[in-house]
Amino acid sequence: QSVLTQAPSASGTPGQRVTISCSGSSSSIGSNPVDWLQHFPGTAPKLLIYSNNQRPSGVPDRFSGSKSGTSASLVISGLQSEDEADYYCAAWDDNLNGVIFGGGTKLTVL
Amino acid sequence: QVTLRESGPALVKPTQTLTLTCTFSGFSLSTSGMCVSWIRQPPGKALEWLARIDWDDDKYYNKSLKTRLTISKDTSKNQVVLTMTNMDPVDTATFYCAHCGSNSYFDYWGQGTQVTVSS
Repeated sequence: QSVLTQAPSASGTPGQRVTISCSGSSSSIGSNPVDWLQHFPGTAPKLLIYSNNQRPSGVPDRFSGSKSGTSASLVISGLQSEDEADYYCAAWDDNLNGVIFGGGTKLTVL
Repeated sequence: QVTLRESGPALVKPTQTLTLTCTFSGFSLSTSGMCVSWIRQPPGKALEWLARIDWDDDKYYNKSLKTRLTISKDTSKNQVVLTMTNMDPVDTATFYCAHCGSNSYFDYWGQGTQVTVSS
């Protein structure tokens, strides 16, 4: 059971802006930074956002992250067909003393 | 350039112990701030963090699996080993190792190794 809550699915049309949310608690997102990962099934997950809103080198600026209180969001602007993937949030949880993932959001580009 | 590669058996029998090795390059686990985590993904399910080992040999485990997991490192070989005891068919998954740095939990990932638990 995931301790971070994500909607199981999201969708949008090319060019649209899509927001994927991740809800946690005071001991997880409320106290620690959030990472976002992009995962194409059968391949290695890829770090998309770290420390709530930082993009690793090579990640397009269409991807942005934010955090407020015990929730975090990933925004994809100018949606492209190649963005169709699973997206996961992750954060450290102080009570569990470990990393927790969200359940993942499957993004469909219509 | 950081790379990681997982290796281990593709098939284990129920009740057996699984031993997986993560062989990495591009960083040293003796360097302050470095760490390596193991993560798994059962078919059709979400990612699940399993364990982490830090440069100073601090270890962290998924609380729900803690009694079955052991993580260790061999700095001279650039390897991290994960053992999981008492394997069950529900443990069938793709297992990944990932580098974690000072700013992210998982910035570089291995390609994963698929493990099936079946008699």
